[in-house]
Amino acid sequence: AQKVTQAQTEISVVEKEDVTLDCVYETRDTTYYLFWYKQPPSGELVFLIRRNSFDEQNEISGRYSWNFQKSTSSFNFTITASQVVDSAVYFCALSGMNTGNQFYFGTGTSLTVIP
Amino acid sequence: DSGVTQTPKHLITATGQRVTLRCSPRSGDLSVYWYQQSLDQGLQFLIQYYNGEERAKGNILERFSAQQFPDLHSELNLSSLELGDSALYFCASSDGLVSYEQYFGPGTRLTVT
Repeated sequence: AQKVTQAQTEISVVEKEDVTLDCVYETRDTTYYLFWYKQPPSGELVFLIRRNSFDEQNEISGRYSWNFQKSTSSFNFTITASQVVDSAVYFCALSGMNTGNQFYFGTGTSLTVIP
Repeated sequence: DSGVTQTPKHLITATGQRVTLRCSPRSGDLSVYWYQQSLDQGLQFLIQYYNGEERAKGNILERFSAQQFPDLHSELNLSSLELGDSALYFCASSDGLVSYEQYFGPGTRLTVT
């Protein structure tokens, strides 16, 4: 079964603080893809990153970084020096090679950055 | 702007009615995906079409159907609408059969009264 768990429903931080959004996944596929999407208050879904199961290298993009650990089935997302514009709902998603092309989304983490 | 367009942006209709949501994928993308985002169910995959053919099916109700046309735009038809169908419906597209990267449209907000 494919499942994505985002245990943090809501997080509030003060501007300039670092924040980590947790994502834990379950899959029986040996080849799979993990994603993070951002949904700002305007409602659209913005693609942030894709990681395949063979690539455990951490990635950094500006203030964003992602930590992928197969040993713990986690794909966590850290925002450094958070800004008010980071306020949004963040979704982690999973797609497996053997389960067709379905995306399985977590329930999302609502991040509020307080100025 | 993802390049994926969806119309209409908002739709208000009554229970029992039928509506059609339209999606145009990014130029060159052959796959179209439909998702439903509701407060109680979260973001759920409904169905995927690739170059006109249905390729994957998720939690799509029998009252719902979709198709992809030769020009690659897609339509999601929702019939016998119920209050619980009120949701944000997203369309996404990707260039290939496997969803390495999906680009989402702005969504259609459906309100059933």
